[in-house]
Amino acid sequence: GAGVSQTPSNKVTEKGKYVELRCDPISGHTALYWYRQSLGQGPEFLIYFQGTGAADDSGLPNDRFFAVRPEGSVSTLKIQRTERGDSAVYLCASSFEGPGFDTQYFGPGTRLTVL
Amino acid sequence: SQKIEQNSEALNIQEGKTATLTCNYTNYSPAYLQWYRQDPGRGPVFLLLIRENEKEKRKERLKVTFDTTLKQSLFHITASQPADSATYLCARFGSSNTGKLIFGQGTTLQVKP
Repeated sequence: GAGVSQTPSNKVTEKGKYVELRCDPISGHTALYWYRQSLGQGPEFLIYFQGTGAADDSGLPNDRFFAVRPEGSVSTLKIQRTERGDSAVYLCASSFEGPGFDTQYFGPGTRLTVL
Repeated sequence: SQKIEQNSEALNIQEGKTATLTCNYTNYSPAYLQWYRQDPGRGPVFLLLIRENEKEKRKERLKVTFDTTLKQSLFHITASQPADSATYLCARFGSSNTGKLIFGQGTTLQVKP
């Protein structure tokens, strides 16, 4: 079956621009997570959705970052006024139920480069 | 702070040998630890979860141990193959019970034929 998909696979933007990153979770998965991974590091948690609501956004670094999941399936991570330090791979994961110990299935990520 | 740490140096071994990767944690006693595999350009893939009351867990050629006294988990791949070459990540659940994962920095394994 289809796994988690993310678009675009690569995004190059200029400092100060606005970007949107999309995640399509596995069908039927109610929990959705966003992580950010810098080179040589493990993924770093950003935000967790249970259904349509953000149940834990403690990992968002500042108010330039925002994410939505209006219908409880597809999610969009939005970054305003991008900075060079935002360059990273943004990973999305979904699990059947969450919270707890459901296996998380990761997408391939979106590589964001801010020039 | 509650850290989870892996050896950042790459591990190079010969095909057929056993690879052993280490995950250490400090200032925290996780009830669970997980191990993931990540290939270049891909997201992590779940391999194994071990509970604190389990000393050892196996899946095919993989074995994970959990030593709460040493605050350490070891991940073993026996009879390693070049196809096992990847980055291996250990992770614990965050304390907020939302399922969020906190990862170590990963160790890259290179198995040479």
